Amino acid sequence: KAGVTQTPRYLIKTRGQQVTLSCSPISGHRSVSWYQQTPGQGLQFLFEYFSETQRNKGNFPGRFSGRQFSNSRSEMNVSTLELGDSALYLCASSPGTSGRAYNEQFFGPGTRLTVL
Amino acid sequence: SQQGEEDPQALSIQEGENATMNCSYKTSINNLQWYRQNSGRGLVHLILIRSNEREKHSGRLRVTLDTSKKSSSLLITASRAADTASYFCANRGASGGSYIPTFGRGTSLIVHP
Repeated sequence: KAGVTQTPRYLIKTRGQQVTLSCSPISGHRSVSWYQQTPGQGLQFLFEYFSETQRNKGNFPGRFSGRQFSNSRSEMNVSTLELGDSALYLCASSPGTSGRAYNEQFFGPGTRLTVL
Repeated sequence: SQQGEEDPQALSIQEGENATMNCSYKTSINNLQWYRQNSGRGLVHLILIRSNEREKHSGRLRVTLDTSKKSSSLLITASRAADTASYFCANRGASGGSYIPTFGRGTSLIVHP
């Protein structure tokens, strides 16, 4: 099976712009999660989608949004970019989500976003 | 704040030595997982240990879990230069009614050839 793919791999934007990142999960996986990774804050959870519904959301401002399509592909959008949004954005997929159970996640290579 | 915290933050050893890293967490868990991340890349799942397990092995990896102390340890035996990476523990904690996957800040392991 092909792994999790993320596009684009690298992105440079300027403050105030908006950006859309894309993630294609492993075939058959219905859960997609997004994470932001920075040197200062480490790996932080953004949101999780399952069957096109947002199941969980981390503590990020409303500028960060996401969605999942019927084929499980997911996009995340960041509007009005700030310098502090520069980070590695990671997408992870898993077969499913069930309450408190934390399933193994398969990560993509990430999108490196630089905001100037 | 993140629930998982790895210790030490950095570890430098010679090839062939064993590497031990620890992880602590704050709430009850269903399971705990360890991941590896090579510089600037995605994370790779290493091993999952359930809350009713105390020890688990996978190749050169050995993970222990002590739920009474809310801690886990990852042992890499006979380390290789290719083991150089950051290692994270992860679990799903509850936050405001939703269950947030949380990762520690990681242990950066350098294995010198």
